[in-house]
Formats: sequence, C-alpha cells, structure tokens
Amino acid sequence: EIGMTQSPATLSVSPGERVTLSCRASQSIGSHLAWYQHKPGQSPTLLIYDASTRATGVPARFSGGGSGTEFTLTISSLQSEDLGVYYCQQYNVWPPGYNFGQGTKLEI
Amino acid sequence: QVQLVQSGAEVKKPGSSVKVSCKASGGSFNNYAIRWVRLAPGQGLEWMGGVIPEFGTVNYAQKFHGRVTIAADSSTAYLEIRSLRSEDTAVYYCAGAPVVDMYKSGPFHLWGQGTMVTASS
Repeated sequence: EIGMTQSPATLSVSPGERVTLSCRASQSIGSHLAWYQHKPGQSPTLLIYDASTRATGVPARFSGGGSGTEFTLTISSLQSEDLGVYYCQQYNVWPPGYNFGQGTKLEI
Repeated sequence: QVQLVQSGAEVKKPGSSVKVSCKASGGSFNNYAIRWVRLAPGQGLEWMGGVIPEFGTVNYAQKFHGRVTIAADSSTAYLEIRSLRSEDTAVYYCAGAPVVDMYKSGPFHLWGQGTMVTASS
C-alpha cells in the first residue's frame, strides 16, 4: 500500500496569514492527489482533486500543487472558518488504495 | 444530485458484529463507487475499503481484510464489521467517488452524514 505523510501535524495560524501544508507519497502517484477539509461534527469535504483542481464551490484562496511524490495545499489568506483538520489522499493508482495522510490540524 | 444517507448510531458489545448502511437518496449509485472511511477518537481518517456497485468489485485495506465485509446493490451499500473491539469505536462514513474502471475510482466527492459505532461492554 502507498503511504501518505503530512507535515506539520499541527499548525498555529492567524487570520489573514498565508498557510502551506505538505503531503508526501511513498511512491509516485502522478497527480492522483486530493485534499479534504474536516471540521468537528461535520462530514469531510473535498477541496482539491487531481492535485490542483478546486472542487465545486471551493473558494479561490485554496490552491493545490505538486506531482509525483510531493504535494502542497496553500491557503492564501486564512479565514476563521478555515480552522479544522486537512487530509491528503491518493486515489486511482494500482493496486487500488485510497489511503489518507495523518492530517494537519490548523488552530489559532 | 445523489445524497448519501447512513443508518443510525449503534452500541455493541465487544466480540459482536455491526452492520452500517448507506443509501442513495434521490436515485441510485450510477457511476459511483462507495468507499468506507472511519474516524476514531484522537485519530485521523482511515480508508477501510469499498465497492463499485455496477461491477460488483470490492476491495479492502490490508488492515481490515477478513474482518470486514462490504457489499452493495444499486442504491444501498453495507459495511459489516465482525468481532468488534473497543478500538473499532469510531464514526463511520460512506463516501461516493466517480468510477474510473471496474477496479478504481476517483476522489471522494460525496459523503454521508456519518454513523457512530460504539463497542463497549
């Protein structure tokens, strides 16, 4: 199975700040990388797929980049509603597996 | 737009089994794979396995192979966990992903509301 590693585990942030989260795959996954946001008490939501494509309704302040084994999620100007846990995930590779990273928690 | 509606919370004794359902509200699972993900207290999201209903293809994460069964018909998917342990206490989510081929799918665009399963004596 492909392993996904995120850093940092926790990030203390302030509103208006530019934030970059990192994700590394244990082997090349091309651009088959998604980012999810998870807020307490809610279901996760898809933010980015194919490494850099924003899902429907996702604000433009969220952007994704990278390919192969190194990926980033950037929030250009953090809003208070962006606090929560962010996960990266690989998909559509062989053998089929959909492992998540361990998550990065954004907190004030 | 299909929505995923899950069954209600469950409290089970360790060693027993639990079955969680995920129904497509407003239609069927056309062109969607259904994946199961859990979130245990203090842990991160964990992919467990999934099914592609139109092909009947099922796959499991190595950790759950043999203790978990996933199945589906055209509008409802099921997750059964046997020999429950206290460590299985978690919120279980079903998620819908666009089918790529009979084995693979894309990212998880749709999510159910989650089902809390508590394994406690």
